[in-house]
Amino acid sequence: GQNIDQPTEMTATEGAIVQINCTYQTSGFNGLFWYQQHAGEAPTFLSYNVLDGLEEKGRFSSFLSRSKGYSYLLLKELQMKDSASYLCAALDSNYQLIWGAGTKLIIKP
Amino acid sequence: IAGITQAPTSQILAAGRRMTLRCTQDMRHNAMYWYRQDLGLGLRLIHYSNTAGTTGKGEVPDGYSVSRANTDDFPLTLASAVPSQTSVYFCASSAESSTDTQYFGPGTRLTVL
Repeated sequence: GQNIDQPTEMTATEGAIVQINCTYQTSGFNGLFWYQQHAGEAPTFLSYNVLDGLEEKGRFSSFLSRSKGYSYLLLKELQMKDSASYLCAALDSNYQLIWGAGTKLIIKP
Repeated sequence: IAGITQAPTSQILAAGRRMTLRCTQDMRHNAMYWYRQDLGLGLRLIHYSNTAGTTGKGEVPDGYSVSRANTDDFPLTLASAVPSQTSVYFCASSAESSTDTQYFGPGTRLTVL
């Protein structure tokens, strides 16, 4: 079967760095997305990786290793507004997105 | 309108009733999607449409139907609602295909009693 695993919840301190991991098992692979979802709101796009390596976008970076079926989202200089759920989603061979349940990130002052 | 709108924002529905959730986008996107989001589970695709006039089944299509008469609108219908369809429903769109960024509507919170 197809599966996305990510931690249910993480806690970090304002100003610190946090890494949210995601492992995936899909039939075929055509890229990996990260979305941010604040409580009660819609998901919004953060990043898309299809090639191995690190992509940096301001305070957020996303890494992909296709051989390991692994990705992570790195958030630097954490701010209170970063408190949200972070959704990992992999695109399978049929170009359908398989979503993880999300990681709830709690930022403490 | 800017982006994607959904209506209603929330609804309480008696089991057995018919309900249509509305979704409209003004970005001229070809692809549209309906998801449900339940606590502890990832977003699950119900139905999708790659272009006006075509639709396809997602992971959990049973009990739901869709139509795509034009580019902008993608309504989701529950023919006879059941309590297990209590969920938050998100409509999304992308420019061409699922490799493109998906933009989500604000969601409809549906409770079936």
